[in-house]
Amino acid sequence: QSVLTQPSSASGTPGQRVTISCSWTTANIGTNAVSWYQQLPGTAPKLLIYLNDQRPSGVPDRFSGSKSATSASLVISGLQSEDENHYFCAAWDDSLRGWVFGGGTKVTVL
Amino acid sequence: EVQLVESGGGLAQPGGSLRLSCEVSGFTFSSYEMNWVRQAPGKGLEWISYISSSGNIMYYADSVRGRFTVSRDNVKNSLYLQMNSLRGADTAVYFCARLLSYDSRHDWGQGVLVTVSS
Repeated sequence: QSVLTQPSSASGTPGQRVTISCSWTTANIGTNAVSWYQQLPGTAPKLLIYLNDQRPSGVPDRFSGSKSATSASLVISGLQSEDENHYFCAAWDDSLRGWVFGGGTKVTVL
Repeated sequence: EVQLVESGGGLAQPGGSLRLSCEVSGFTFSSYEMNWVRQAPGKGLEWISYISSSGNIMYYADSVRGRFTVSRDNVKNSLYLQMNSLRGADTAVYFCARLLSYDSRHDWGQGVLVTVSS
């Protein structure tokens, strides 16, 4: 059972907006920043969002992030076929003294 | 260019041991905390260990505490994971990673496969 809860799947047609949620029920995450990764299973994750809503250089601006007290969201605006992949949220957990990851969301482009 | 290259994976028997290495280049290794993260087949990412930049603070996930030991050599720019008392549930791709919660420096190795089976 992941500390961070994500839906197992999401889908949309090209051009649609897809939102992936990441929620938690403890105060362990608190004000810690949430990151989002894109990953082909078994390969190195690619950072999409850091510090809740910041995009590294090179990440398309159709990816955006936000965070509230008990959840975070990754939005893909204008879904493209190459966005079909797995997405994970992550944050540092002060109580566990370690990184925690969501279970991952598989995005399918219909 | 930042590079993290893991090695040392392979097949181990239940109860056996393996030592993973991660050689780092492209940044001042001694200045940064490091982590090991694994991914079992068909599963999500699981953080398993953290080590501070100087190597004097280590944290572990419950699933590996007491069996795995993280260490580093800041002269050799290398991170290590000694894995003892291996179990089938430890079968996974293991990644070394620099994960900085305060900025965009999240760097990952390509991963190394560990298979625990008789």
